[in-house]
Amino acid sequence: SQKIEQNSEALNIQEGKTATLTCNYTNYSPAYLQWYRQDPGRGPVFLLLIRENEKEKRKERLKVTFDTTLKQSLFHITASQPADSATYLCALDRGSTLGRLYFGRGTQLTVWP
Amino acid sequence: GAGVSQSPRYKVAKRGQDVALRCDPISGHVSLFWYQQALGQGPEFLTYFQNEAQLDKSGLPSDRFFAERPEGSVSTLKIQRTQQEDSAVYLCASSLEALNNEQFFGPGTRLTVL
Repeated sequence: SQKIEQNSEALNIQEGKTATLTCNYTNYSPAYLQWYRQDPGRGPVFLLLIRENEKEKRKERLKVTFDTTLKQSLFHITASQPADSATYLCALDRGSTLGRLYFGRGTQLTVWP
Repeated sequence: GAGVSQSPRYKVAKRGQDVALRCDPISGHVSLFWYQQALGQGPEFLTYFQNEAQLDKSGLPSDRFFAERPEGSVSTLKIQRTQQEDSAVYLCASSLEALNNEQFFGPGTRLTVL
């Protein structure tokens, strides 16, 4: 079965620094990898999608990399702000399972002023 | 509506009761997913619909769980004879298509079984 590991349960950084979150997977190689943000009491919100033939994707202060050799994705938030504090979920789409997503347990990010 | 809505937001059930959870997806979205999220964990896939057809129900944990989407829009997840281990947040998500599309999640229904 697919196993997804996110580097740590919690990450605390100072405002203005870059937050780096890690997602490692085993077994099957995903066709797509997605990152979501989840705030307490709410459903996940889509942030970025990266395909297996893409090395990097950017959106404003967010950057995602995808290394299929290492079976790893890195998610970066530059110039972090307290409003970035949330849980970030990595999700894999194998491309052959009708859109079913396999989620990691998430990393809780806290950005302190 | 602007997004995916779910009702009720909170449900408390006594062990053995049946519950029904409703999901209203974004209008025009073909694909609909149900996930279960335990405390401190990521969402776990339960089932998937393409329009009214249930194409994947491999994630349903037991035959006590049943989902339907009879007209290809609103979906209902039913849990019969609830057990304490069914306590979780049940998330519904919809997308325009199934593959390589972002999924839009509802706020979830928090089910507590006493």
